Amino acid sequence: AQKVTQAQTEISVVEKEDVTLDCVYETRDTTYYLFWYKQPPSGELVFLIRRNSFDEQNEISGRYSWNFQKSTSSFNFTITASQVVDSAVYFCALSGTIQGAQKLVFGQGTRLTINP
Amino acid sequence: DGGITQSPKYLFRKEGQNVTLSCEQNLNHDAMYWYRQDPGQGLRLIYYSQIVNDFQKGDIAEGYSVSREKKESFPLTVTSAQKNPTAFYLCASSILQGYNEQFFGPGTRLTVL
Repeated sequence: AQKVTQAQTEISVVEKEDVTLDCVYETRDTTYYLFWYKQPPSGELVFLIRRNSFDEQNEISGRYSWNFQKSTSSFNFTITASQVVDSAVYFCALSGTIQGAQKLVFGQGTRLTINP
Repeated sequence: DGGITQSPKYLFRKEGQNVTLSCEQNLNHDAMYWYRQDPGQGLRLIYYSQIVNDFQKGDIAEGYSVSREKKESFPLTVTSAQKNPTAFYLCASSILQGYNEQFFGPGTRLTVL
């Protein structure tokens, strides 16, 4: 069975601090994708990144960076110099083929609060 | 503007009534999905459709029904059989081939009175 665990339910930091959101996944598939989504207070999920299981290079996009380690089945997300606008719920998700269809399995989410 | 629209944003329903949530996309995506989100929880898949006139049950389909008569539209009906329907409902769509990201609508918050 596929599973995504985000052990941190809530994180609160002061603006400009760096913060890392953890994501651990389980799958028996050899080909899979990992995703991060942001859910601001408005409710709509915003896609942040997709990473395939064969590419373990870290990725950086502005203040955001992602660390994919297959050996530990983790796909962690770091925000550098956090800002109040980063406050949101962040979801990690795993994609695989289940019964012939592509499906996403989501973690429980981490609520991140950036305090001014 | 390409995207996914959901209506209404807020919906109130009396117990025992059926209610239909709208989802429309103009991204030309083949696949569409419905998720339910409860407070403090992740998203759970209700139904999904990969092609017009075909759809499959997700993990929590009981008490829900869908139709896919047009590529652009995937309405969800919450029936009176759904025991705890108060939740936030999100619709998504994606390209069918490969492991592509899903794009989400703004959601509908359903409250049963």
